[in-house]
Amino acid sequence: KNEVEQSPQNLTAQEGEFITINCSYSVGISALHWLQQHPGGGIVSLFMLSSGKKKHGRLIATINIQEKHSSLHITASHPRDSAVYICAAINTDKLIFGTGTRLQVFP
Amino acid sequence: EPEVTQTPSHQVTQMGQEVILRCVPISNHLYFYWYRQILGQKVEFLVSFYNNEISEKSEIFDDQFSVERPDGSNFTLKIRSTKLEDSAMYFCASSELAGNSYNEQFFGPGTRLTVL
Repeated sequence: KNEVEQSPQNLTAQEGEFITINCSYSVGISALHWLQQHPGGGIVSLFMLSSGKKKHGRLIATINIQEKHSSLHITASHPRDSAVYICAAINTDKLIFGTGTRLQVFP
Repeated sequence: EPEVTQTPSHQVTQMGQEVILRCVPISNHLYFYWYRQILGQKVEFLVSFYNNEISEKSEIFDDQFSVERPDGSNFTLKIRSTKLEDSAMYFCASSELAGNSYNEQFFGPGTRLTVL
């Protein structure tokens, strides 16, 4: 069993839709990263959070430490949001990655 | 904006050869990491490095791998005798402090290693 699980694995949406990607983890963490990986392979950090909620533009990330669960929301999705979204748990000195959610947003 | 850089972007090598992947972390960062991603799989932790020594390593990081900070700016990953299964994208990352101090890790663009 993976220590960090994401759902769904694949997600398609029409432009403008509200998107939710879920992440559950079974390890102890000090914080959690949400990352974006583009087709070329580069990884960009979107959020790091240890409690509550963070918002950046159309992206919102929440975490519930007691339930070991985090969500990434994208409001008013756009084709340029198409990418793989990865949650990664910060455990001691390292990141433990989920398998990623491939999002495709169609015009 | 400061960023992590990696060279080369793509390295092709023959099985059994040594390769060195290079990274320049963000200048005021103190913690450095290598991760790898085999095609179609999730990103995996290899090693973390602080104060000129390894602070944590994974099972993947066996005797064939080594890391070094040869000068004040570069951080390198060496694979002594490459195997076919070492083919992957290798990402370097850096952070100001350790992950357990709630500091974000910033990633380089990756080096795609192909072992033939």
